[in-house]
Amino acid sequence: KQEVTQIPAALSVPEGENLVLNCSFTDSAIYNLQWFRQDPGKGLTSLLLIQSSQREQTSGRLNASLDKSSGRSTLYIAASQPGDSATYLCAVSGSGYSTLTFGKGTMLLVSP
Amino acid sequence: DAGITQSPRYKITETGRQVTLMCHQTWSHSYMFWYRQDLGHGLRLIYYSAAADITDKGEVPDGYVVSRSKTENFPLTLESATRSQTSVYFCASSRQGEEKLFFGSGTQLSVL
Repeated sequence: KQEVTQIPAALSVPEGENLVLNCSFTDSAIYNLQWFRQDPGKGLTSLLLIQSSQREQTSGRLNASLDKSSGRSTLYIAASQPGDSATYLCAVSGSGYSTLTFGKGTMLLVSP
Repeated sequence: DAGITQSPRYKITETGRQVTLMCHQTWSHSYMFWYRQDLGHGLRLIYYSAAADITDKGEVPDGYVVSRSKTENFPLTLESATRSQTSVYFCASSRQGEEKLFFGSGTQLSVL
């Protein structure tokens, strides 16, 4: 059974820092990997989706990388801002929608 | 652009009662999903639907019933609520052939 682990569980940084969030998964036979953002009391917003054949995806200050063979992904946030404060979740997909497995998330706090 | 809406936003009920959570999307997405989010477990898939009148079980379907008579609606029914079903429930949707998920804002359900 696929297991997804996110480290650290919580992270607090001052504004302006570059930071890295980690995601690891036990079964490397994935179809894709997604990073989501969740604000308190809200639903999830998809940030980046990396297909298994890709190594990275970028959107603005966010860059996600994927190393399928080692079962790892990282989300890099450049020049962090207080508005980046949220919980970030990664999820991996097997061959179908029913096999989307989520990590428990990293709670990020960016202080001014 | 209304997107995906869930109702009610909050619900308190008693054990043994039937409860229905509503989900409506305006994008005509083929796929719809129900997840529950619990501390310590993360997000887990309850049921999903690939199209109207097509539904399938996810990881934790016991005690839940779904239907999808119209593409835009995907209600989730707890036939006889139990305390273990106290959770935050999220509905999500995606286009055919794409795996980017769009989430609703969630329903916080408390079973007393």
